[in-house]
Amino acid sequence: DTGVSQNPRHKITKRGQNVTFRCDPISEHNRLYWYRQTLGQGPEFLTYFQNEAQLEKSRLLSDRFSAERPKGSFSTLEIQRTEQGDSAMYLCASSLGAGTGSYEQYFGPGTRLTVT
Amino acid sequence: AQTVTQSQPEMSVQEAETVTLSCTYDTSESDYYLFWYKQPPSRQMILVIRQEAYKQQNATENRFSVNFQKAAKSFSLKISDSQLGDAAMYFCAYRRANFGNEKLTFGTGTRLTIIP
Repeated sequence: DTGVSQNPRHKITKRGQNVTFRCDPISEHNRLYWYRQTLGQGPEFLTYFQNEAQLEKSRLLSDRFSAERPKGSFSTLEIQRTEQGDSAMYLCASSLGAGTGSYEQYFGPGTRLTVT
Repeated sequence: AQTVTQSQPEMSVQEAETVTLSCTYDTSESDYYLFWYKQPPSRQMILVIRQEAYKQQNATENRFSVNFQKAAKSFSLKISDSQLGDAAMYFCAYRRANFGNEKLTFGTGTRLTIIP
């Protein structure tokens, strides 16, 4: 078990460019979550998946944001036409499914996005 | 909507002493989970301790314990025998217990400094 991994760890992009982040959850986890954390704040929920189904999306997830989990394994988060306000740490977490008695979310190291 | 409030942006404690971090939350639910997460500088978030709302007994994990007051909607974290490695941001988080409502709602965090 190597834990949740995220790539890249850092991304610097110019305003208006598109960026894509990847998250690889713990292998037996069927739940996958995306959060955004700005400086000095706690993480804010963006969206989550059960296997390949996207079950909930936050109002924070504007139409410039899209997330996928095509085969129920890794997930990607894409931001189109980036804005300076998108600069943040993007965190991924995973957990076992409902009914397993375990609901702990395990976090990855995050991808820090800087939009210049 | 559920909210989580951490009113102490920063706390400091002498090594080997005890410190208590405060957290209050607002919810109309009767069944939920509460968590304390630790985020060391430039490292990923890890779970410190969790509490199920239906349990009256306060959770403990080694040097970490909570004081869960359900009626007061209070969930404080006590760290005993503080160690240098405890220095981190600590986030209190809430999650509804029912299926399909699995997002974590975080407070703004408390930065804990350990004084050698």
